[in-house]
Amino acid sequence: AQKVTQAQTEISVVEKEDVTLDCVYETRDTTYYLFWYKQPPSGELVFLIRRNSFDEQNEISGRYSWNFQKSTSSFNFTITASQVVDSAVYFCALSEVLTGANNLFFGTGTRLTVIP
Amino acid sequence: ETGVTQTPRHLVMGMTNKKSLKCEQHLGHNAMYWYKQSAKKPLELMFVYNFKEQTENNSVPSRFSPECPNSSHLFLHLHTLQPEDSALYLCASSLRAYNEQFFGPGTRLTVL
Repeated sequence: AQKVTQAQTEISVVEKEDVTLDCVYETRDTTYYLFWYKQPPSGELVFLIRRNSFDEQNEISGRYSWNFQKSTSSFNFTITASQVVDSAVYFCALSEVLTGANNLFFGTGTRLTVIP
Repeated sequence: ETGVTQTPRHLVMGMTNKKSLKCEQHLGHNAMYWYKQSAKKPLELMFVYNFKEQTENNSVPSRFSPECPNSSHLFLHLHTLQPEDSALYLCASSLRAYNEQFFGPGTRLTVL
């Protein structure tokens, strides 16, 4: 079974619109870590955020914000006032203590296209 | 140079060739990773090295052979590959377990 599900394969928005990328995870572990990465056309994955399972506070970094809800096993990512440079594939990932912290399970990614 | 570098960026090889991918990290990290990224599939973790010791091998075929001579360098030796091995191979490093991983730009491999 997929440990990380990103149901949205592709999303297109017009510049300046807000967009939310969904991530649902599955784990039996009580201690785990969640991540978001951005992969622009150049191919290199860029780290955006890491949250541990004990910290459910939402986080905001500039135009980016993350909503972590253990009750629904979701870790959604919102971009406010999107820009063309936000166009990329975004990956959500999970690291469990049980299976080994070095094992990072990635979702299949969501391709975001921001139209000028 | 800073971050994680990978060479070559592109590689085309025949099924009988032997080649190597190189990864170098300049971040002082202790763990290094190889991932395979194929179209329409999640990133697949292939190998993990922690303090130069291999700690993970996710059922990778023996035609892929990793080598980690020190904490800064990681190689992936390739021999008798199949066309289905064509993919983007990504290297990453992290300071220690549970920390975020930093990725290199990848090597786009095509097996003819």
